[in-house]
Amino acid sequence: LAKTTQPISMDSYEGQEVNITCSHNNIATNDYITWYQQFPSQGPRFIIQGYKTKVTNEVASLFIPADRKSSTLSLPRVSLSDTAVYYCLVGNSSASKIIFGSGTRLSIRP
Amino acid sequence: DADVTQTPRNRITKTGKRIMLECSQTKGHDRMYWYRQDPGLGLRLIYYSFDVKDINKGEISDGYSVSRQAQAKFSLSLESAIPNQTALYFCATSDDPGQGAKTQYFGPGTRLLVL
Repeated sequence: LAKTTQPISMDSYEGQEVNITCSHNNIATNDYITWYQQFPSQGPRFIIQGYKTKVTNEVASLFIPADRKSSTLSLPRVSLSDTAVYYCLVGNSSASKIIFGSGTRLSIRP
Repeated sequence: DADVTQTPRNRITKTGKRIMLECSQTKGHDRMYWYRQDPGLGLRLIYYSFDVKDINKGEISDGYSVSRQAQAKFSLSLESAIPNQTALYFCATSDDPGQGAKTQYFGPGTRLLVL
């Protein structure tokens, strides 16, 4: 059974770079990797998506090694407002496979 | 995301009751999804629909049914609620821009408690 694994929690400080890694050993050729952010009492919100190598947008970077069995979400210079739960998702375009990780609770301290 | 709304936001019901959770979207997306979220388990897919004539089971469809009344509306029903269906339920939508995984837009969630 496909499984997406991430650390339960992480702590960091304002201004630091935070890297959250997700393990997805059974990723298939057609699967993409997506990261979502969730605040309390809200639905998850899209952060970034990638297939291989590196993707960067205005809020984060996503690093995917050649074997694609893991991925790392990188948040540069975090602030208190980045305190949230971050979910890794592995899935394909047909939605026949949508596997969310159990989430990483990120706490940012002043 | 205000473009995806869910009603009710909170619901308490008793074992054996039938309940319906509703989802509406103004994003114009064809694809809609229902998930449940449990502490420590992330989100798990219950059902998904690619258009009004297309319904597909997800990972945990037992005990649930859905109805796609229109492109903008997707309802989730619990025919006979049981306590282990107590969870946070999310509706989501996505468009279909060809190849690649689809970015999903989630509603605010419905918190359901089954006594």
